[in-house]
Amino acid sequence: AQKVTQAQTEISVVEKEDVTLDCVYETRDTTYYLFWYKQPPSGELVFLIRRNSFDEQNEISGRYSWNFQKSTSSFNFTITASQVVDSAVYFCALRELGNTPLVFGKGTRLSVIA
Amino acid sequence: NAGVTQTPKFQVLKTGQSMTLQCAQDMNHEYMSWYRQDPGMGLRLIHYSVGAGITDQGEVPNGYNVSRSTTEDFPLRLLSAAPSQTSVYFCASSRGQGTGNQPQHFGDGTRLSIL
Repeated sequence: AQKVTQAQTEISVVEKEDVTLDCVYETRDTTYYLFWYKQPPSGELVFLIRRNSFDEQNEISGRYSWNFQKSTSSFNFTITASQVVDSAVYFCALRELGNTPLVFGKGTRLSVIA
Repeated sequence: NAGVTQTPKFQVLKTGQSMTLQCAQDMNHEYMSWYRQDPGMGLRLIHYSVGAGITDQGEVPNGYNVSRSTTEDFPLRLLSAAPSQTSVYFCASSRGQGTGNQPQHFGDGTRLSIL
């Protein structure tokens, strides 16, 4: 069965620091998809990124970057030069091939202090 | 540009009351699902549907019923509310068959309190 582990429950950083959110996953499928979602204090869930299991290229989008390593079953998320607006709960999620459910980790609450 | 619409946004119930949480999407998505979010537990899947007339149980289905009579709607029913069902409920949808890579679109959530 698939599983997603986000070992960091809460992280607190000072503004402009870099921060990495860890995500480790388990699946028996060779084809699967990984996602990151952001939940700001307002409560909605915002899709950030999707990664296919056969594409191990790292991705950068502005201050956000993602490091996908199949060898360690990890899909970590780094925010560079963090800002107060980055304060949120971040969820990593996994979906196997086909009409399978999206399984979430328990989330990491990030607090960025000015 | 509605996306996924959940109603109501807030609700307070008494133990034993019944209620239906509504979820509608206008993107013609085959796949819909319901999650509950509790502090420290992340989002846990209650029920999901891969298309009209088809539903299946998720991780925490007890106490909840669903049906999918149309592609657009996926209501979640609490037949006899219990305090343990106090939570924030999210409905989500995505394109279906063979498209596991599609991101799920989430509604804004329903905050439910059972007294």
